Formats: sequence, structure tokens, C-alpha cells
Amino acid sequence: DTEVTQTPKHLVMGMTNKKSLKCEQHMGHRAMYWYKQKAKKPPELMFVYSYEKLSINESVPSRFSPECPNSSLLNLHLHALQPEDSALYLCASSQETRTGTNYGYTFGSGTRLTVV
Amino acid sequence: QQQVKQSPQSLIVQKGGISIINCAYENTAFDYFPWYQQFPGKGPALLIAIRPDVSEKKEGRFTISFNKSAKQFSLHIMDSQPGDSATYFCAANPTSKAAGNKLTFGGGTRVLVKP
Repeated sequence: DTEVTQTPKHLVMGMTNKKSLKCEQHMGHRAMYWYKQKAKKPPELMFVYSYEKLSINESVPSRFSPECPNSSLLNLHLHALQPEDSALYLCASSQETRTGTNYGYTFGSGTRLTVV
Repeated sequence: QQQVKQSPQSLIVQKGGISIINCAYENTAFDYFPWYQQFPGKGPALLIAIRPDVSEKKEGRFTISFNKSAKQFSLHIMDSQPGDSATYFCAANPTSKAAGNKLTFGGGTRVLVKP
């Protein structure tokens, strides 16, 4: 299995809703990431998990709450979002780099989120 | 501050032609330089990557050229096909374990290959 699977593919939510995005990989990768991508822009890093522990939070507003229940799963909990949070949310994974060696990311197809 | 600068923003090439995308970086701690291809509605897919100890890497019709002294690298797509029409992102990663595996993307290049 060489894929990162994201669900749902599309999500429309109101500003008072609570929803969650899910990400799963079975490649044995120990680093997992959440990225946000606006139209015609590069992906922007939100969070990095290394060995199930949050290692990087790129000053993301608290209305986004990540969770890594185990080495294969990554969730992003959403609450009280704003219309400007509408974007493509991408999950990615990679081999961990405790040795300092960098490896490529494998991205999922993303969740297209619309906040109304 | 954009740490990886990519040009051009868009590119139109005829089928069979060569597409060339350039990237420049400032951070000398970067030591891994991947290129990603993204189709509309899909996530980026790793296309090809290079480390600074080599000056060129070729995989099929895709070639990365790397100039460490100039801190520049480029992607060449030979014999461009309509199916290559996509957005291409260069990226870079630092060596530092403290920095984590934090990929920095260029701004992207939209490539259109005309039949």
C-alpha cells in the first residue's frame, strides 16, 4: 500500500459546526503532516507529527485541532471555522528523519472544505 | 519571506517541446530538492528529487539540473505531452533535525502543453 487516504473528499460546513477530517496511511511512515492549499497557491504547512507526537505547529488558530491516535491515523478537528478557511486540506506522510536524512512526502488527494 | 523562488508562474509549450522550470533558494541548510506534480483536484505527487552531491538526475522524460554554487535547480520536461499539463512545485528540505522534515515549496508553475 503506497497511498495516503483522506476522507471525506468534499465537506461543506457552517461556521457553528464541528467536523473532522481523517487521514490514513499504511506505509510505516512515522511522520505525518497537515497542509492547507488555497487555489493557485503552494501548500502551506499547518502541523507535523513525528512518532505520534506533535512536533511543529505553524501558529495555526485553535479552531483547528490535530490528533494522531496511532502511527497510521491523523485527524484534523474543525470547530467554528470562518469562510476564509475554505481550502483544500492535504495530509501527507514520510519516513521519519531522526537521522537527519530527508525523504519525499506522499500526499493524499485532499479534502475540499467549504465553510458557509 | 519566500525561501524558494520559482519561475515562471506559467508556461505554454507545444507537444514535443521542452518545458523548463527554474528555482532558486537562499538557505544553505537545504539538502533535499524534490519536484511535485499536481493535477486539479488532486494532491501533489512526488515526481523526482535530487540531493546536492549530484549535479543532474534523470528519470524518463524528467531531468533535474542542480547548481550548488548558484543555489539554483531546474526541472526539464523533454518531449512534453498534453498529459503533462499540470502545476509543478519545486521544494526544499533542511538537514537540521531540529528543523524537522519541513518541506518548503516554491510558488508553483502552471504548465499547459498544447497538442
